[in-house]
Amino acid sequence: GQNIDQPTEMTATEGAIVQINCTYQTSGFNGLFWYQQHAGEAPTFLSYNVLDGLEEKGRFSSFLSRSKGYSYLLLKELQMKDSASYLCAVTSGDYKLSFGAGTTVTVRA
Amino acid sequence: IAGITQAPTSQILAAGRRMTLRCTQDMRHNAMYWYRQDLGLGLRLIHYSNTAGTTGKGEVPDGYSVSRANTDDFPLTLASAVPSQTSVYFCASSDSASGYTGELFFGEGSRLTVL
Repeated sequence: GQNIDQPTEMTATEGAIVQINCTYQTSGFNGLFWYQQHAGEAPTFLSYNVLDGLEEKGRFSSFLSRSKGYSYLLLKELQMKDSASYLCAVTSGDYKLSFGAGTTVTVRA
Repeated sequence: IAGITQAPTSQILAAGRRMTLRCTQDMRHNAMYWYRQDLGLGLRLIHYSNTAGTTGKGEVPDGYSVSRANTDDFPLTLASAVPSQTSVYFCASSDSASGYTGELFFGEGSRLTVL
């Protein structure tokens, strides 16, 4: 089975940096995804890590350590539109993706 | 616009009634999924399909059935709805293969309320 943990809520100020941690215990590992979900909308893809290290994509970066079962999503230069839920998801390469409960980020002016 | 279409967007249903949520994709993805999303529990996989003609059970399959007669369509049926099936249902698809799960593309969701 999959066990994926991430904080429930985080609050940060506009322009600041926020780091969302995700730890996982899985039967097999084949990749880790981060998704963004605004209230009332569908999740949308942010990043995918399969190897250890940092993947940077604009203001968003994602890090993976497979030996520690750990990932984080880094959001820089926060904007009000970044207020959303951020979902960590893990796959064992068996066509299925298991999601954590999500972290709700609130950006304040 | 290419993507995934779900219907209905929202539905209120009496307990005991039968309900089918429809899902159609036009990206020719081989894999399709049904998730339910509940507050505090995140997205939980109900059923999935690797390719047309095959289906599999996810984390919470009880009370639900699916079929995959062709590549594009993946309907989810509640044979006899119960209040605990009140949720937001998301259909998703991906271009996946054995040993590799690709990025999931989600539909806009179907909000179901069972009274």
